[in-house]
Amino acid sequence: DGGITQSPKYLFRKEGQNVTLSCEQNLNHDAMYWYRQDPGQGLRLIYYSQIVNDFQKGDIAEGYSVSREKKESFPLTVTSAQKNPTAFYLCASAPGLAGPGPKNIQYFGAGTRLSVL
Amino acid sequence: QKEVEQNSGPLSVPEGAIASLNCTYSDRGSQSFFWYRQYSGKSPELIMFIYSNGDKEDGRFTAQLNKASQYVSLLIRDSQPSDSATYLCAVNPVDSSYKLIFGSGTRLLVRP
Repeated sequence: DGGITQSPKYLFRKEGQNVTLSCEQNLNHDAMYWYRQDPGQGLRLIYYSQIVNDFQKGDIAEGYSVSREKKESFPLTVTSAQKNPTAFYLCASAPGLAGPGPKNIQYFGAGTRLSVL
Repeated sequence: QKEVEQNSGPLSVPEGAIASLNCTYSDRGSQSFFWYRQYSGKSPELIMFIYSNGDKEDGRFTAQLNKASQYVSLLIRDSQPSDSATYLCAVNPVDSSYKLIFGSGTRLLVRP
């Protein structure tokens, strides 16, 4: 069953705590992404990775960290430095390779909803 | 700052009508354009993509692209209550085919 799996579905963070959101894909996609969505807002890019062992900051990277040690996995850590972490976090993947065409279509996981205790 | 603009709505149409959703973008060199549908509390799902000027049809959905005027639209024919959702427009900026810039979405309500 191919797709993008995010876990957990719901996550609660205590003040001062780091939490890690999991994202796994079995689509053999090169590119992976993390977005944050606040109520009534569009998606804002946190980090993205075009290839294993490489990643770039998006528009709102402060307070977040990522790793890309395997092609299938792109975990996101929300650190204690992120003072307003409550949001819906979405992981996406795309086939990759530069240029227009279906290779840059992004597909999304089901999301993780993070709240602060 | 590259921008993608959408009217937040809600756009309310009766069942069976044509719903017309619009999106404008600021990056003139953008080449790829996407429409995603997002139901409340769920993740976005791709419904259309378009690369060339003109119309692209897929079932009840038609995407229209006008690069000279920098807008892309989505028409939904024979609208159904199940089409009620938020529709997100996304654009590839010219400096990165890997990235998408999303609009904030238009909420569509289809009245039975």
